[in-house]
Amino acid sequence: KAGVTQTPRYLIKTRGQQVTLSCSPISGHRSVSWYQQTPGQGLQFLFEYFSETQRNKGNFPGRFSGRQFSNSRSEMNVSTLELGDSALYLCASSSGQGDGSPLHFGNGTRLTVT
Amino acid sequence: EDQVTQSPEALRLQEGESSSLNCSYTVSGLRGLFWYRQDPGKGPEFLFTLYSAGEEKEKERLKATLTKKESFLHITAPKPEDSATYLCAVKVDSGYSTLTFGKGTMLLVSP
Repeated sequence: KAGVTQTPRYLIKTRGQQVTLSCSPISGHRSVSWYQQTPGQGLQFLFEYFSETQRNKGNFPGRFSGRQFSNSRSEMNVSTLELGDSALYLCASSSGQGDGSPLHFGNGTRLTVT
Repeated sequence: EDQVTQSPEALRLQEGESSSLNCSYTVSGLRGLFWYRQDPGKGPEFLFTLYSAGEEKEKERLKATLTKKESFLHITAPKPEDSATYLCAVKVDSGYSTLTFGKGTMLLVSP
């Protein structure tokens, strides 16, 4: 069974630009979550989508947004990039059912903002 | 506010030298505690889920335990390939699939 796939793996952008990251979940998984990982803050929750609906959101500014498509694939968008947005962005999928279903992570997109 | 604290931040062991990593948590309504392993340049890899105090789970040289306030990840006779960052996370009531992570323990096992 294929794992979670994130594209692209690396991205370099300039302040003020916007970026779109893509995530393909494990087949059959309906929940997709996004996390930001930085050395100082660790993993911080951005948002979760389940069956195309956002059902939870973390404490990030409105510049961070996402969506989920009918095939469960998800994208996240960051507009007006700031230097502090440089991070590893991780996507995770799960069945979304029950407490025990773990999140399965992709290998992330490394975003560098210059 | 839900909090997860891991200690130590970094740990260096000799091959075969057993030790434990700690994860203490303050949450309202724990629905599950998760352990992950993360290698450099990769996403976290799921290891265990624990649900209630007293529960234990094992996988090869790793054993995870849970009390009402903390969890331990015991590493028995570690090998260099166990070197990684180990992350602890909690899922709480009304959190859907959201996990709150600790900052991790970076483990280095020397031959």
